[in-house]
Amino acid sequence: GENVEQHPSTLSVQEGDSAVIKCTYSDSASNYFPWYKQELGKGPQLIIDIRSNVGEKKDQRIAVTLNKTAKHFSLHITETQPEDSAVYFCAASIFSGGSYIPTFGRGTSLIVHP
Amino acid sequence: DARVTQTPRHKVTEMGQEVTMRCQPILGHNTVFWYRQTMMQGLELLAYFRNRAPLDDSGMPKDRFSAEMPDATLATLKIQPSEPRDSAVYFCASGAELLAGGINEQFFGPGTRLTVL
Repeated sequence: GENVEQHPSTLSVQEGDSAVIKCTYSDSASNYFPWYKQELGKGPQLIIDIRSNVGEKKDQRIAVTLNKTAKHFSLHITETQPEDSAVYFCAASIFSGGSYIPTFGRGTSLIVHP
Repeated sequence: DARVTQTPRHKVTEMGQEVTMRCQPILGHNTVFWYRQTMMQGLELLAYFRNRAPLDDSGMPKDRFSAEMPDATLATLKIQPSEPRDSAVYFCASGAELLAGGINEQFFGPGTRLTVL
């Protein structure tokens, strides 16, 4: 099955700095890569995603890049703010039975210091 | 606003007891996923349904776990008998019918925090 590695497990930055989270996956059949943000006591929420036919996608302060050849993808957050503090999960998804089925990374705890 | 609801939010029980967790997917969504989150294993997919039919429950310990969708507005995850190693947060997520060329985003509920003593 799919295996997703995510690094770092903890990331501490100062407000205004950039944050980068990296993931690798093993199954070349994975073709959809969502990123989720999980705040304390809540369920994960999709913040950005990328499909395998795209190399980069940006949405305001967040961007995701994908290198299919190397099987890795990254999340970039610029101008970080305290409210960005949360756990971020990457996922590699395979299409099956009418849905994209994700395998999640172990998560990155991002702490943004004011 | 539309959201996935889960009950109970917290459950403390003793080993050997039956536990039932409930999920109400977003109205109109036809796919439902059950996940378990622990510090050790992260987010694991237990089972998922499409149009109320189970498509894959290979992530679920079959001897004690069961998942059902009695109707389109209710999904249940049952553990019988429960064990301390089942302590985790259990999430339900729902998604809409996949349109041609589209992506069906999963919307997560707030989770049920289960503690088995």
